[in-house]
Amino acid sequence: AQSVAQPEDQVNVAEGNPLTVKCTYSVSGNPYLFWYVQYPNRGLQFLLKYITGDNLVKGSYGFEAEFNKSQTSFHLKKPSALVSDSALYFCAVRARPGTYKYIFGTGTRLKVLA
Amino acid sequence: DVKVTQSSRYLVKRTGEKVFLECVQDMDHENMFWYRQDPGLGLRLIYFSYDVKMKEKGDIPEGYSVSREKKERFSLILESASTNQTSMYLCASSFSRESVYNEQFFGPGTRLTVL
Repeated sequence: AQSVAQPEDQVNVAEGNPLTVKCTYSVSGNPYLFWYVQYPNRGLQFLLKYITGDNLVKGSYGFEAEFNKSQTSFHLKKPSALVSDSALYFCAVRARPGTYKYIFGTGTRLKVLA
Repeated sequence: DVKVTQSSRYLVKRTGEKVFLECVQDMDHENMFWYRQDPGLGLRLIYFSYDVKMKEKGDIPEGYSVSREKKERFSLILESASTNQTSMYLCASSFSRESVYNEQFFGPGTRLTVL
């Protein structure tokens, strides 16, 4: 069955330190992988996606993610965290082709400490 | 920029009431979605529509129905609200089922409380 897992409910990191938010997936075929961010009392905003090509994907607000097929992972990273990065982060996967459904992870709350 | 709007940010209803949640997108997207978001459960798909008057059930359609009479508008209906439908409801849209530009654009959400 298709699934996506975010193993950490919360990640704490000091401002200026690198951050990683983990995501692993299980789908048949090649995946389409996404990261979204949700700020308080807001809807989700698209950060970045992996469809094909370079395994390192760059997105909005200085975030990047690395697709690792052998480990079935798509971890979100940022070299230097900001307090304003504090939010809820969701990983999502869509199996290709022709599948409309997205599977979202349960979310990871990132807290960046000043 | 794509804009997805939802009719209410906060809504309080009583058990048994019929509830309408409205969603409008302004970018001519073909696909529209309704999710509910609950702590620890992430987002769960309620219904999906890929064209006017077309709909498909998601993972948790029980107790809900939808309507899409115009391309830009997708309504979620709670036929008889129950307390276990208290949740955050998120509407989203995306360009096309087959397009590579298939990230979803979300509305701000409606926090529904059923008393």
